[in-house]
Amino acid sequence: QSALTQPASVSGSPGQSITISCTGTSSDIGAYNYVSWYQQHPGKAPKLIVYGVDSRPSGVSHRLSGSKSGSAAFLTISGLQAEDEADYYCTSYTTTTAFVFGSGTRVTVL
Amino acid sequence: VQLVDSGGGLVQPGGSLKLSCAASGFTFSDSAIHWVRQASGKGLEWVGRIGGKPNNYATTYGASVKGRFTLSRDDSKNTASLQMNGLKVEDTAVYYCTRNYNFFFDSWGQGTLVTVST
Repeated sequence: QSALTQPASVSGSPGQSITISCTGTSSDIGAYNYVSWYQQHPGKAPKLIVYGVDSRPSGVSHRLSGSKSGSAAFLTISGLQAEDEADYYCTSYTTTTAFVFGSGTRVTVL
Repeated sequence: VQLVDSGGGLVQPGGSLKLSCAASGFTFSDSAIHWVRQASGKGLEWVGRIGGKPNNYATTYGASVKGRFTLSRDDSKNTASLQMNGLKVEDTAVYYCTRNYNFFFDSWGQGTLVTVST
């Protein structure tokens, strides 16, 4: 199972909106609505920020939102803030009862 | 909900190591525990999972570790384990245990570093 494809880096100025893409196949993202997103700061464990494609856990900012179209998922960060600077990973359940992670995206706030 | 990883260390290629994940704050026997690893400066890689009692403790492994790694659990001690045999240099990574709740990972351990080197 190959990793889901994400852009290596995305950047934006404070207050802007950015979108991170996560491209999979009909065997993972395209097969289920079990896409989740994780934020990871350096030296820390990943943190769940979106699950079930577009749901947010309690305590996660409303500026973060998820969506999906076909075999691709998207994470949008609105009103970019300095604290959003981190690595972001998507993941999906697959038809082989495994999970696959995305390659990861480094978000830089200019 | 809390998960605490332990057991990492330095091991030679071909050697073995057993990682543990101590859980608290939830009904452990009902929960699937997954392991995810991250090589230095690299992305996250799913290693495998062991289901809870409702799923008859079913196991699934990632392609890169299948046949070398074995998942187990002891519900009486709220502990899950990852037995790693035939370790390779490319297995060097921080290993995280994580709870899977409805197809997403809602809690993570702090990670334990495994270094495979001569």
